[in-house]
Formats: sequence, C-alpha cells, structure tokens
Amino acid sequence: DGGITQSPKYLFRKEGQNVTLSCEQNLNHDAMYWYRQDPGQGLRLIYYSQIVNDFQKGDIAEGYSVSREKKESFPLTVTSAQKNPTAFYLCASSMEWGRGGYNEQFFGPGTRLTVL
Amino acid sequence: EDQVTQSPEALRLQEGESSSLNCSYTVSGLRGLFWYRQDPGKGPEFLFTLYSAGEEKEKERLKATLTKKESFLHITAPKPEDSATYLCAVQASGTYKYIFGTGTRLKVLA
Repeated sequence: DGGITQSPKYLFRKEGQNVTLSCEQNLNHDAMYWYRQDPGQGLRLIYYSQIVNDFQKGDIAEGYSVSREKKESFPLTVTSAQKNPTAFYLCASSMEWGRGGYNEQFFGPGTRLTVL
Repeated sequence: EDQVTQSPEALRLQEGESSSLNCSYTVSGLRGLFWYRQDPGKGPEFLFTLYSAGEEKEKERLKATLTKKESFLHITAPKPEDSATYLCAVQASGTYKYIFGTGTRLKVLA
C-alpha cells in the first residue's frame, strides 16, 4: 500500500537534546513538508522540499533542520535551540500538477514530541 | 496577506441534524482549496479539492462548494462517526505552500 510513514509515534526529549523525526513516503511524490500542530492553532509550516537536495524554510523554521538526500525521505531534526518543541508533528507529501503548483497533500500519522 | 478563517470553532449536532461549516479565504489568486478530516491524535485525511468558483464535490454525507470568497462543507444527516475536526487549506497561484485554517471541531451526538 502506498502512503506516508512517520516514526516514532511518541518521542520524549530531555532539555538540551537534539532529536530526529523520521518521514518516509512511497507515493513517488516530489514535494514533502513538515508541519507543527499545537492545540487551537492551524498547521504551521516548518520546512518544505520540492526536489532532492533542496529545501526551503517555512514560517517557523528556527530551531529545526531537515535534509532531503532521497526522494522518499525527509527527516526533521528538532535541535536544542527550539525553545518550545512540545507539539504534534506532521509530515506530508504532494505531487506536482502540470499547470504549476501541487495537488492535495497526503499526511502521515504524526509524531507527538514531549520535552521532559 | 493570504489567510484562511474557519467557522464555527466548534459545533455540536444531533444525529441527523444537517449543518454547514464555513471556510473564508483571502488569497492572491486561488490555485486550489482543500478540505481534510482529522481524528484526535491522527494525521489529516484528504476529503476534497476545489479549483474554481461554482465547483461542487460530494462524498457520502459530505458536500463541498466553492465561491470566490469562501467554501462550505455541508453535512447531511450526520452520524456520530462524522465527529472529527475538519480543516480547510488554500494554495495560492505561483506558490508551493498551503495555508491552513484552525479547523472546526464537530461533535455528532447519538
């Protein structure tokens, strides 16, 4: 079955630690995205990537880093510089539309990160 | 500035009581408007894409419509399993970013 997987489902981080969230897709989509979701707020874009080895900052990139070495994979690292990382993190992908832009996004199941 | 506003924030319906959710948007050239359903603790599930004013899409008890300023998600004779948060997002022409609203939390009571 095609889809997006995220791991782990739950992650606990100690102060000062960097942690990496995994995102893999087998939909052959070009674009991949990372969002953060907090209660009462919409999805906020952290980073996105349209092609391998290229990515752009979203609206809240400070304290986060990403890589896109393979089309299928787009891991997100939450660094110690992120002051309030406790949140629900969602990875998504979408396919380019011929007339420009991208089609609907498909989302993974999410990773809930908690800082201890 | 591109913006998406959803209303109401929360809605409680009795089973079988039809209603509508609103998604108002301001965007410099609409490329597409998307509706998603999200259950607690899970990722959003894609429902519909609308591209131009006047377009309508249907799926079971759900029907999405689009005007130049807003979209409605009509829920006909809802069931308790329709309880979820419904998210609206837009993509502006010439951009690869999606802008999400904060969602409407729907609770359908048996």
